[in-house]
Amino acid sequence: DARVTQTPRHKVTEMGQEVTMRCQPILGHNTVFWYRQTMMQGLELLAYFRNRAPLDDSGMPKDRFSAEMPDATLATLKIQPSEPRDSAVYFCASGLVLNDKGNTIYFGEGSWLTVV
Amino acid sequence: RKEVEQDPGPFNVPEGATVAFNCTYSNSASQSFFWYRQDCRKEPKLLMSVYSSGNEDGRFTAQLNRASQYISLLIRDSKLSDSATYLCVVTLPGYSSASKIIFGSGTRLSIRP
Repeated sequence: DARVTQTPRHKVTEMGQEVTMRCQPILGHNTVFWYRQTMMQGLELLAYFRNRAPLDDSGMPKDRFSAEMPDATLATLKIQPSEPRDSAVYFCASGLVLNDKGNTIYFGEGSWLTVV
Repeated sequence: RKEVEQDPGPFNVPEGATVAFNCTYSNSASQSFFWYRQDCRKEPKLLMSVYSSGNEDGRFTAQLNRASQYISLLIRDSKLSDSATYLCVVTLPGYSSASKIIFGSGTRLSIRP
């Protein structure tokens, strides 16, 4: 069963530390999304890539967050420096999006981040 | 105004009941629509796509009203296992025509015995 793989699954870190979350999308998918979920805000789209090119990261705080896709099998989301308000579940999702039509996207199990 | 809005609930209904959720979207250029389901502490998973003509999958019926810019999900004969959060999903035109996929905040459903 193909699936999106995220690491780490859980992370507790101190404020000010750098956090890097990694995602391996499903092989053959051309679009990768990073979402953040909190009780208050629900699922927020942070950034997404099409064929590894960043398309939109307007949902991401630019001063401390960065998202990259160094190759087709790896997407990263980095927070530096981390703050307690960054505590959330970070989901990576991938999909095969054709002709600019929405298609099913598949989520990883999420990275549960706590910043203390 | 949020791009996708849902009643957060919770909806608390007895087993066997019929329950319906609505979701409104603000961008009339929205292209594709879906319902996802998310169980507690799990990732969202696709429940069903929403087609213009409406579609049904077993006990679940989804409908789209483009004129009023809302989609709906109807669950008949609800089961205890239907307890979850239901997320409305809309695909918007994005940068360089590459679609953005936006989730609503979800509607919590709890089925009681």
